[in-house]
Amino acid sequence: QKEVEQNSGPLSVPEGAIASLNCTYSDRVSQSFFWYRQYSGKSPELIMSIYSNGDKEDGRFTAQLNKASQYVSLLIRDSQPSDSATYLCAVNMFGSSASKIIFGSGTRLSIRP
Amino acid sequence: DGGITQSPKYLFRKEGQNVTLSCEQNLNHDAMYWYRQDPGQGLRLIYYSQIVNDFQKGDIAEGYSVSREKKESFPLTVTSAQKNPTAFYLCASSITGGPRDTQYFGPGTRLTVL
Repeated sequence: QKEVEQNSGPLSVPEGAIASLNCTYSDRVSQSFFWYRQYSGKSPELIMSIYSNGDKEDGRFTAQLNKASQYVSLLIRDSQPSDSATYLCAVNMFGSSASKIIFGSGTRLSIRP
Repeated sequence: DGGITQSPKYLFRKEGQNVTLSCEQNLNHDAMYWYRQDPGQGLRLIYYSQIVNDFQKGDIAEGYSVSREKKESFPLTVTSAQKNPTAFYLCASSITGGPRDTQYFGPGTRLTVL
């Protein structure tokens, strides 16, 4: 079992709809969770970090964390063509230093007009 | 403008050559990291450093070397011992390297072995 798992996609969502991206992780003591967006050929850019159970909203983005189920998700409301990218889930395993962040292999999201 | 710079953007290496990738940050971050990304895969940690003159191996350090002589700089050398070096290399930094730190990435260097 991979430490951080994501569906590779592609996930195709119509423009204006809600895109839902999911991530599961294996380590129960993980404390820090991150979502990065990566456009083709570019470096990852941080969208959201979340540390506590529940929802965290920032503009059109909502991160949801359920530590009991070892599950973190990212919702993108009112999806735009510019949201088409690969989304990387990252989890700080073992609750230790930032060097223990494990990245998932990413979900490719395509927003169709 | 604060940020992380990497150079060159593209690098071509002949087999048997060592090459050095540059990473500089002016964010005053203590911690710096090097990752490798292969197509369709997540990022894998090569080396990291939380303080000047100290660094630790990540998951895939074989065939790579680093130095951290200045807080701002963390160059990565890809040696001839690295058997499959063609990849996208990403440098990142974070404030202290603590468990809640967010890592910020440079633009990356794409290395191709000819």
